[in-house]
Parts: sequence; structure tokens; C-alpha cells
Amino acid sequence: SQTIHQWPATLVQPVGSPLSLECTVEGTSNPNLYWYRQAAGRGLQLLFYSVGIGQISSEVPQNLSASRPQDRQFILSSKKLLLSDSGFYLCAWSETLAGAYNEQFFGPGTRLTVL
Amino acid sequence: AQSVSQHNHHVILSEAASLELGCNYSYGGTVNLFWYVQYPGQHLQLLLKYFSGDPLVKGIKGFEAEFIKSKFSFNLRKPSVQWSDTAEYFCAVKEFNKFYFGSGTKLNVKP
Repeated sequence: SQTIHQWPATLVQPVGSPLSLECTVEGTSNPNLYWYRQAAGRGLQLLFYSVGIGQISSEVPQNLSASRPQDRQFILSSKKLLLSDSGFYLCAWSETLAGAYNEQFFGPGTRLTVL
Repeated sequence: AQSVSQHNHHVILSEAASLELGCNYSYGGTVNLFWYVQYPGQHLQLLLKYFSGDPLVKGIKGFEAEFIKSKFSFNLRKPSVQWSDTAEYFCAVKEFNKFYFGSGTKLNVKP
């Protein structure tokens, strides 16, 4: 069966420090991968998605970037964190083939606090 | 890009009351529709989904949703809620490879 891992679970970082959040998926090949930020009362904001290694689409201009160095690995990064980067970050995956089973599956999330 | 509206931000019900949560998306075309639930301290998980066919879809835990194409709506219903249904509910629309989520509805069921 497929599983999705995210780490760390929580992170407290000072303003101006770098960031690296990692997401890995097991039990599937060539998944679509997604990064979201979840803010209270605002739902899930899609930040990046990827349909393959090295292929990243950015949905909103921001202080963050994403990379996909391996098929089932998705990394969210920042060179210098801002206070406004605080939030709950979710990774998700879905099958690439069109069909009845291409809903998204979510990881446990990372709670980032920037001080 | 799609825009998804969930009109009820916070709903409080007593056990055994009926539930209907509204969801509207911004325009038609080929879309897939989903409701996700997030129980306190848990991952987002799928409640139900619509791809084609019967517009009334049934999901887990007694939930159902009706797709009304002419209204761009996909409302979630449950005839009788339980205290364990206390959670946040998200409507989502999938278009091509992207998923668009509503802002969520927090449901509080009083025992």
C-alpha cells in the first residue's frame, strides 16, 4: 500500500534562516506531487505541483521554492524565511493516469513557526 | 483557475440533527469533485468523490453528496450527525492536474 511521509513534524526557525521540508511517497511510481499551505479559515492554498522529476509548477509568487530530485521525493525550500511563511505545510500525491482513483492522499503535515 | 466556495464557515449541530454543507465552484467543464474531512489531530482523508454517472454519490460514515451541474454545486449531506463527526470539512475540485480547495467548514456536534 502507498504511504506518504513528511518531516519534520514541527519546526521553529528564526527569520532569515533557510528552510527545507521533505516529503517522500512509498508504494507508487511517478506520482503527481503537491505542496499546500493550510491557514486557519482559509483552506488549502496550492503552492507547487510536480508531474515528474525536475518538473515544478509554481502556483503563487512567494518566498518559497520546490524541487523534485527523485521520483518520489518532493522538497520545499526557502533561502531566507519571513514571518509570513509560518503555517501548516501539507504534501500530497495523486496518480498520474486519468481514472477513477486519482484523488489526493495527504501527508501528516509540518507545522512551521518563524520567529 | 477554479474558485471553490464553502459558504458555512462554522456549523454547530446537536446529535441526530441533519447536516448539509454547501460547496460551489466557479465554472463548468470537465471537473472531478471531492469532499475531504480532517478530524482533530488527523490527516486529511477522503469522504467521497464524484467523477461521472449518478450525481448522488455515497461516501464513508453515512455521508453523501449531490452534484448539480447547472448550479455548479456539490453539497455534502448526512441525515443524522454524531458527535464523532466533529471535524473540518473541505470541498475540492480537480481540473487537469490541479486540486482547488474551499476554505473549509468546521462542524461542531454537541452530544
